[in-house]
Amino acid sequence: GDSVTQTEGPVTVSESESLIINCTYSATSIAYPNLFWYVRYPGEGLQLLLKVITAGQKGSSRGFEATYNKETTSFHLQKASVQESDSAVYYCALGYNNYAQGLTFGLGTRVSVFP
Amino acid sequence: DMKVTQMPRYLIKRMGENVLLECGQDMSHETMYWYRQDPGLGLQLIYISYDVDSNSEGDIPKGYRVSRKKREHFSLILDSAKTNQTSVYFCASRQGARTEVFFGKGTRLTVV
Repeated sequence: GDSVTQTEGPVTVSESESLIINCTYSATSIAYPNLFWYVRYPGEGLQLLLKVITAGQKGSSRGFEATYNKETTSFHLQKASVQESDSAVYYCALGYNNYAQGLTFGLGTRVSVFP
Repeated sequence: DMKVTQMPRYLIKRMGENVLLECGQDMSHETMYWYRQDPGLGLQLIYISYDVDSNSEGDIPKGYRVSRKKREHFSLILDSAKTNQTSVYFCASRQGARTEVFFGKGTRLTVV
């Protein structure tokens, strides 16, 4: 089946430093998957951070960016300058234009940003 | 306000007891999901519901059943809970194939 592998946490960074969380995927379908980054802040449910449904495109939100690279099957999440409020667990996921299937998630990467 | 609400947020049950986890959404989404999350395993799909009384097994349905009698509500039922069902359970909903999946805050279930 499909799988998603991402940077193993926890990751600790200082405020204003850059952050990169690696994500690679393996998709069994002949259709290119849609790729997502979800974030879970303390005490909250998972929220969609960004998504990209077309290979080669870049998604961005709240200062985070990720580019869908079908050659390397990667979807790394980056932010140039993190803030303490970015402390959360980040999940890379893939899915298809098929509501009959759920999303396939990575294990999540816990990020702690210190002032 | 687009929201998926899970109740209860925390639950402790004894082995062999029945467990009911409830999920509601206020977006009239057709599709709803139940996932569980365990350390080192990520989120695993238990069941999918396409609409009222239209449910399908996910990847790990054994030991669970679901009920959806109204579009807004999707329940996960554990008949005779087991200790290995201790986990965090997430409910989610979605409208259409190309749209965002919305998640609830999760229910932490401990079976002792």
